[in-house]
Amino acid sequence: DVKVTQSSRYLVKRTGEKVFLECVQDMDHENMFWYRQDPGLGLRLIYFSYDVKMKEKGDIPEGYSVSREKKERFSLILESASTNQTSMYLCASSPWGTAGKLFFGSGTQLSVL
Amino acid sequence: RKEVEQDPGPFNVPEGATVAFNCTYSNSASQSFFWYRQDCRKEPKLLMSVYSSGNEDGRFTAQLNRASQYISLLIRDSKLSDSATYLCVVNVGSGNTGKLIFGQGTTLQVKP
Repeated sequence: DVKVTQSSRYLVKRTGEKVFLECVQDMDHENMFWYRQDPGLGLRLIYFSYDVKMKEKGDIPEGYSVSREKKERFSLILESASTNQTSMYLCASSPWGTAGKLFFGSGTQLSVL
Repeated sequence: RKEVEQDPGPFNVPEGATVAFNCTYSNSASQSFFWYRQDCRKEPKLLMSVYSSGNEDGRFTAQLNRASQYISLLIRDSKLSDSATYLCVVNVGSGNTGKLIFGQGTTLQVKP
């Protein structure tokens, strides 16, 4: 089975802190994604990557950056956390060319106080 | 108008019932379609792709109506374990990753 592992299930941070969310997949997938999920808004794409060191902006990249130094690892960085970034963050991966067929991690519920 | 719209529900049905959800989409150039299932406080998981001719997987049937721009999911003989939120996903892009638009989800509660 594909496993996508997110480093923390719950995280509480203060406004202005730099926050790192880590995601690791074990199935050699080329594509990795970061989404956030908010009530009433559904899942929204923040950033994605289709190869090591490659990154593409999603629909809501403002206030976030990403890093992909190794194929299996995709990190989401909140440069200066704000309260409106309180959300459930979901990492996903997929093999090349299988648009729509995502494998999600169990999510990180981030609270910014 | 949202790009992908679903009735949020909840749909409350007894065990053994047949229930159907619809999802409408606005982009007529949408490429492919999917249903995901999300249990409470869990991650979404792919339930099934939706093919033009319709497709079935056990008790689940998915259908696509391109003319009216909607997809549907039919669940027969509902089980308690079917209680979840069902997300409609539409791919409006092309290429490797496409461009996925997620609906907000329809919540199903199956009662004994």
